[in-house]
Amino acid sequence: EPEVTQTPSHQVTQMGQEVILRCVPISNHLYFYWYRQILGQKVEFLVSFYNNEISEKSEIFDDQFSVERPDGSNFTLKIRSTKLEDSAMYFCASRRGLGYNEQFFGPGTRLTVL
Amino acid sequence: AQSVTQPDIHITVSEGASLELRCNYSYGATPYLFWYVQSPGQGLQLLLKYFSGDTLVQGIKGFEAEFKRSQSSFNLRKPSVHWSDAAEYFCAVVGAAGNKLTFGGGTRVLVKP
Repeated sequence: EPEVTQTPSHQVTQMGQEVILRCVPISNHLYFYWYRQILGQKVEFLVSFYNNEISEKSEIFDDQFSVERPDGSNFTLKIRSTKLEDSAMYFCASRRGLGYNEQFFGPGTRLTVL
Repeated sequence: AQSVTQPDIHITVSEGASLELRCNYSYGATPYLFWYVQSPGQGLQLLLKYFSGDTLVQGIKGFEAEFKRSQSSFNLRKPSVHWSDAAEYFCAVVGAAGNKLTFGGGTRVLVKP
């Protein structure tokens, strides 16, 4: 069964460093998402992406964040200058398309900022 | 704006007993509703979903949920819990556009032997 994959599973970085989190969505899906979950808190929407552009973003998704689909398979989240409060689990999700409302989640990347 | 409330932060239940997790949503139109489960250190697994039709939906692992429009609720139930059901459960809603999911705060379920 096709699934969303994410790499790495755990990333440790120093404050101020750039990180790129990678996701491979399900191959015939058209909509892509990033969510994050700070330890002990709820899962929060960050951004949605369709047709090579951002379709919606939350107030969390400020200028330090960017997303890209550099090729036909990968979907990346970049944090330019990490802060301590960026430490969280980051989940990628994908959705097939219009008329399909289920989002399929990857296993997550745990980001630790020191 | 859509929102989801899960009133119970923690629930402890004995193995073999029944379980009900509460979820209330706020959304202006017909919502699409989901329950996800997250085991420790794991990702989010979809248990079940409601889009339309029969208001009682069956999911994986013996779970079911009932959509009640009049109460804006989508409670999750299982008749007999197993130790492996210990996890955190999230209710979520998405609007008709099918875009962002809004999650509740989660309910952590502990199962006593």
